[in-house]
Amino acid sequence: GNSVTQMEGPVTLSEEAFLTINCTYTATGYPSLFWYVQYPGEGLQLLLKATKADDKGSNKGFEATYRKETTSFHLEKGSVQVSDSAVYFCALGNRAQKLVFGQGTRLTINP
Amino acid sequence: DTEVTQTPKHLVMGMTNKKSLKCEQHMGHRAMYWYKQKAKKPPELMFVYSYEKLSINESVPSRFSPECPNSSLLNLHLHALQPEDSALYLCASSQDSGQTSTVGNTIYFGEGSWLTVV
Repeated sequence: GNSVTQMEGPVTLSEEAFLTINCTYTATGYPSLFWYVQYPGEGLQLLLKATKADDKGSNKGFEATYRKETTSFHLEKGSVQVSDSAVYFCALGNRAQKLVFGQGTRLTINP
Repeated sequence: DTEVTQTPKHLVMGMTNKKSLKCEQHMGHRAMYWYKQKAKKPPELMFVYSYEKLSINESVPSRFSPECPNSSLLNLHLHALQPEDSALYLCASSQDSGQTSTVGNTIYFGEGSWLTVV
């Protein structure tokens, strides 16, 4: 079946540090891959997505590349800000539209 | 404009009450979803409506009753809930349920309704 394994948190970084949150997946077929972000007390916001191998999704300085050979979709940002503190979910979407989520990674950025 | 609007933002209800959560989208999406999210966990799918028909029910207890009056609206009727049902309830929508596409359509979430059952 489909599954997503996400880097366990919590992750704590200083402002302007480089961020990587690892995400690997297991899937049949050719799923779409997503990163969602959840700020404290809010719902989920789509951060970025990629729909096929070698696609790179990017938004707000965050990037992730769909790597079929390593079944990965790692989230990166070159210089994080305090406002990036949130929970990040990697997710896989298949034809049946059942999003499969990773467990979430809580990120805290200190000034 | 990728907006899914949910009301109310917060709801406190007793175990004998009947209440409803409401969701609206004006993106022309034909698939709508209810998810439940407990603290420090990812969202869990409850129901999917595709073209106003219930297409997926993830074995949700009957005390949760979904309704899709039209393609823009989705309700979740709540009756005789238990304290363990307290959670964040998220509505979401997408272009369709993926029946005709080869890849998963993007699912957009609302801000959620925080439900507390006392």
